[in-house]
Amino acid sequence: AQSVTQLGSHVSVSEGALVLLRCNYSSSVPPYLFWYVQYPNQGLQLLLKYTSAATLVKGINGFEAEFKKSETSFHLTKPSAHMSDAAEYFCAVSETGTASKLTFGTGTRLQVTL
Amino acid sequence: DADVTQTPRNRITKTGKRIMLECSQTKGHDRMYWYRQDPGLGLRLIYYSFDVKDINKGEISDGYSVSRQAQAKFSLSLESAIPNQTALYFCATSDSGGGRGRNEQFFGPGTRLTVL
Repeated sequence: AQSVTQLGSHVSVSEGALVLLRCNYSSSVPPYLFWYVQYPNQGLQLLLKYTSAATLVKGINGFEAEFKKSETSFHLTKPSAHMSDAAEYFCAVSETGTASKLTFGTGTRLQVTL
Repeated sequence: DADVTQTPRNRITKTGKRIMLECSQTKGHDRMYWYRQDPGLGLRLIYYSFDVKDINKGEISDGYSVSRQAQAKFSLSLESAIPNQTALYFCATSDSGGGRGRNEQFFGPGTRLTVL
């Protein structure tokens, strides 16, 4: 069975600082991994996805994530936070070779301060 | 125009009432999903449908039912609403092409349901 753990339900950074949101997954087969962002009062929007090509994945709005099989991790980073990055971020896993169901983590709320 | 729409966007109802949430999509996707979001719990899958004749239970289907009226429409019903069904509900779609599991899901704007 697949699962996702997001460490830290709330993360606060200063504007211009590095953003690091952690995601660890568990999967019995090679996974597909996704990061979604949810802005207030909106649905989820895809930031980036890993589908077994390059391990460093670049997404929208300057975000990127690196797939590390040895650490079963897919952490999301952005070099310099902007006020507009304040949102909730969800990591999700889908197992290859099976139906495209996603299992979501519990989310990390990112606060960006001046 | 939005690709995945949900109606209503907000709904307040009373315990015991039947309620239907509707989802429509113009993306031409064959797969559709219903999730509920609760604070601190992330999104949990209620039901999913891979085509009009293929409907499956997710991890929290008790108390819910669904109907896939057409490829573009997928409705979620609460036969007798209870307060712990108060949540934010999302519909999502995906395309089966490109290999199972690799295609992202596209989400609607959500329906905020309150059961008093």
